[in-house]
Amino acid sequence: DSGVTQTPKHLITATGQRVTLRCSPRSGDLSVYWYQQSLDQGLQFLIQYYNGEERAKGNILERFSAQQFPDLHSELNLSSLELGDSALYFCASSVLADHYNEQFFGPGTRLTVL
Amino acid sequence: AQSVAQPEDQVNVAEGNPLTVKCTYSVSGNPYLFWYVQYPNRGLQFLLKYITGDNLVKGSYGFEAEFNKSQTSFHLKKPSALVSDSALYFCAVRDGNTDKLIFGTGTRLQVFP
Repeated sequence: DSGVTQTPKHLITATGQRVTLRCSPRSGDLSVYWYQQSLDQGLQFLIQYYNGEERAKGNILERFSAQQFPDLHSELNLSSLELGDSALYFCASSVLADHYNEQFFGPGTRLTVL
Repeated sequence: AQSVAQPEDQVNVAEGNPLTVKCTYSVSGNPYLFWYVQYPNRGLQFLLKYITGDNLVKGSYGFEAEFNKSQTSFHLKKPSALVSDSALYFCAVRDGNTDKLIFGTGTRLQVFP
């Protein structure tokens, strides 16, 4: 158990809908990262927050947004969902935002868009 | 741009034999390299990292990795494979400008009894 929790574990929804994925980082970790894992794209970085502020953006669609709250938990919002958004979404956390510390991953949220 | 390549989609090895999962990297500047393992329906688990120092890095579950600067490689190794090592292994490099991890395509390790 990495100490990173994600809810829900599974999510099934329809095209055009909006969902929110939640992540609680390990205790004491200030940096939160979101990744998407799909068969065709592999593991792709979406976005990073550090102590409540957006720090880096990756291949994140405009339909997607995220935030990190004062208690350091983070939410990833996906809207106007398309079939191609079906994927495993991982949250990871690390103590600091630097090159040296490893990231610890949560169990993921499997999103299925029908 | 930073990148890693895992040239093998799958590696098959008999239990008790040594295993190697290959990874090569391309970076500008110092490489910060990581190995993760993913078991079915689970998240990624950190195995080990190379930041600086000794070229042989020891990690969790008996795994180690050898950093080779001249060959730009960071191969994952284990002296004696277990059936329970069967999983998907990812090599990753830290992006030079951000903290994000850039992952390889993954190598599926199958250890046969």
